[in-house]
Amino acid sequence: AQSVTQLDSHVSVSEGTPVLLRCNYSSSYSPSLFWYVQHPNKGLQLLLKYTSAATLVKGINGFEAEFKKSETSFHLTKPSAHMSDAAEYFCVVSSYNNNDMRFGAGTRLTVKP
Amino acid sequence: DAGVTQSPTHLIKTRGQQVTLRCSPKSGHDTVSWYQQALGQGPQFIFQYYEEEERQRGNFPDRFSGHQFPNYSSELNVNALLLGDSALYLCASSPPVTSGELFFGEGSRLTVL
Repeated sequence: AQSVTQLDSHVSVSEGTPVLLRCNYSSSYSPSLFWYVQHPNKGLQLLLKYTSAATLVKGINGFEAEFKKSETSFHLTKPSAHMSDAAEYFCVVSSYNNNDMRFGAGTRLTVKP
Repeated sequence: DAGVTQSPTHLIKTRGQQVTLRCSPKSGHDTVSWYQQALGQGPQFIFQYYEEEERQRGNFPDRFSGHQFPNYSSELNVNALLLGDSALYLCASSPPVTSGELFFGEGSRLTVL
């Protein structure tokens, strides 16, 4: 069975500074990995996805993530945080047939002015 | 193009009652998945429907059941409600050919008193 662990429940950064949200995964298969964002009272939105192509994945709003098989990690980064980035972020691993997506517990990102 | 729509947005029930939540998938999507998101946690996979049948199920009791209609819309039914069923219930749809991305509705928030 597959699972993800988000290493930080809460991350706080200042506007304009880098963002790092950490995720480790466990999977019996070559995984597909995703990052989703959830703004208050909104549905989840896909930021980016890794599906065994390039290990460095670029997403929307300047976010990137790097798949590191040796470290079983898929950390999310952004060079410069914006106030609008404040939200809950979820790392997700899917089964080989994408029928069962497993979410991490989430990381709440706070951006200070 | 309407995205995934869910109804009702909020509802309050008492223990022992039954509830039905509804979901209309994004146009062109034929697969619907349901997730339960308790406060402060990541979404937990309940089940997935495809071609009007339950294709995969997470670790939820039989009190949770569902249905998919010929127009691909779906219902989630929960019987004998418990206080612990209080959560945000998320519906997600995906197209016939998918790389795993899910398109989420904004959810139905259920409170059980």
